[in-house]
Amino acid sequence: NAGVTQTPKFRVLKTGQSMTLLCAQDMNHEYMYWYRQDPGMGLRLIHYSVGEGTTAKGEVPDGYNVSRLKKQNFLLGLESAAPSQTSVYFCASNRVGTEAFFGQGTRLTVV
Amino acid sequence: KNEVEQSPQNLTAQEGEFITINCSYSVGISALHWLQQHPGGGIVSLFMLSSGKKKHGRLIATINIQEKHSSLHITASHPRDSAVYICAVHFISSGSARQLTFGSGTQLTVLP
Repeated sequence: NAGVTQTPKFRVLKTGQSMTLLCAQDMNHEYMYWYRQDPGMGLRLIHYSVGEGTTAKGEVPDGYNVSRLKKQNFLLGLESAAPSQTSVYFCASNRVGTEAFFGQGTRLTVV
Repeated sequence: KNEVEQSPQNLTAQEGEFITINCSYSVGISALHWLQQHPGGGIVSLFMLSSGKKKHGRLIATINIQEKHSSLHITASHPRDSAVYICAVHFISSGSARQLTFGSGTQLTVLP
């Protein structure tokens, strides 16, 4: 089992460019999450999904969109990247009431 | 407001020392997680608990629901334990989505 896989692992974008981060899990988990991690702060929830075809906003959703067309995949999109979106992004998944499994992270720099 | 606080922010210990990291939270929770993040960034779940105590190897996690407090202990610490330890909770108010709220982490360095 691969667990939770994020692609890409690193990316540098210019301001205004767009990109999509892919999260894939092979554990048949219902719940999937996208977080961002910034220095000195805890992980903050961007968007989450409680099942295929459903998404919801988290704590810091502005500037991001998500889609969950297949149960195993959760995509995070940046339509017009800004320097404030420079961060490390983590995807996670779990079943209700169980531990969360995290991806290895994507380090994004917006210049 | 739903908040999670960890202490200390940074901790340096000598190999072999007993280590305690603390986590307190503001309102009722359904579960608390302890996570470990190594240099290089990957995050691994160590424990999930809603009451009492759990032990895995040299790691022990305890929670006191009434006092809204949890501790992570490491016995006989080793340099390979050096990492960031993160407390995260499911607040009851987060409802069915069971979103996690994270503390800012404790950077542990164990010196040989």
